[in-house]
Amino acid sequence: GAVVSQHPSRVICKSGTSVKIECRSLDFQATTMFWYRQFPKQSLMLMATSNEGSKATYEQGVEKDKFLINHASLTLSTLTVTSAHPEDSSFYICSAGGQGEPLHFGNGTRLTVT
Amino acid sequence: AQSVTQLGSHVSVSEGALVLLRCNYSSSVPPYLFWYVQYPNQGLQLLLKYTSAATLVKGINGFEAEFKKSETSFHLTKPSAHMSDAAEYFCAVSDNFGNEKLTFGTGTRLTIIP
Repeated sequence: GAVVSQHPSRVICKSGTSVKIECRSLDFQATTMFWYRQFPKQSLMLMATSNEGSKATYEQGVEKDKFLINHASLTLSTLTVTSAHPEDSSFYICSAGGQGEPLHFGNGTRLTVT
Repeated sequence: AQSVTQLGSHVSVSEGALVLLRCNYSSSVPPYLFWYVQYPNQGLQLLLKYTSAATLVKGINGFEAEFKKSETSFHLTKPSAHMSDAAEYFCAVSDNFGNEKLTFGTGTRLTIIP
């Protein structure tokens, strides 16, 4: 079946550095990808929607300059957390859909900023 | 705007007992409804989805859910709980099956008592 691969699964970085998270659709073309953030024991909050070849649409309250999203191909979207701070520590999850496929989720990335 | 409400952030049932996780939705258009399961430090796995076909939807792992328009509900059930069912469960709503963003409920943590 369709699979979405998210990498890395865990990352620890120092405050002030940037971190890039990749989301790949492995056997289908993902015209739309979504990035979610999940705080401990809470639900998923949508951060942004990215469509291949166009700028991402950010949800209200999400800093587009801090969370850079690129969806340059039909199989890859990236989320870059720029100048990370400890409050950016969270679980980030991507999902992808396209070609009549329902949304498939990656396994998430645990980001810890020290 | 669409929303879902999950009643009960924590549910505990004995192994072999009935599992009932509640979800009520609000939508101005005919909704598409989903149940997802999340195991620790993992992404979301689709259990089942309602897309305006049969009101009783059967999913994976023995789960099913019934869409009741009069009650605006989409409760998740399983006749007999297994230890492996212990996880976080999320109800979600969308106004489009496939590429549209999902709005998630706050989640219900299911604990199985041996």
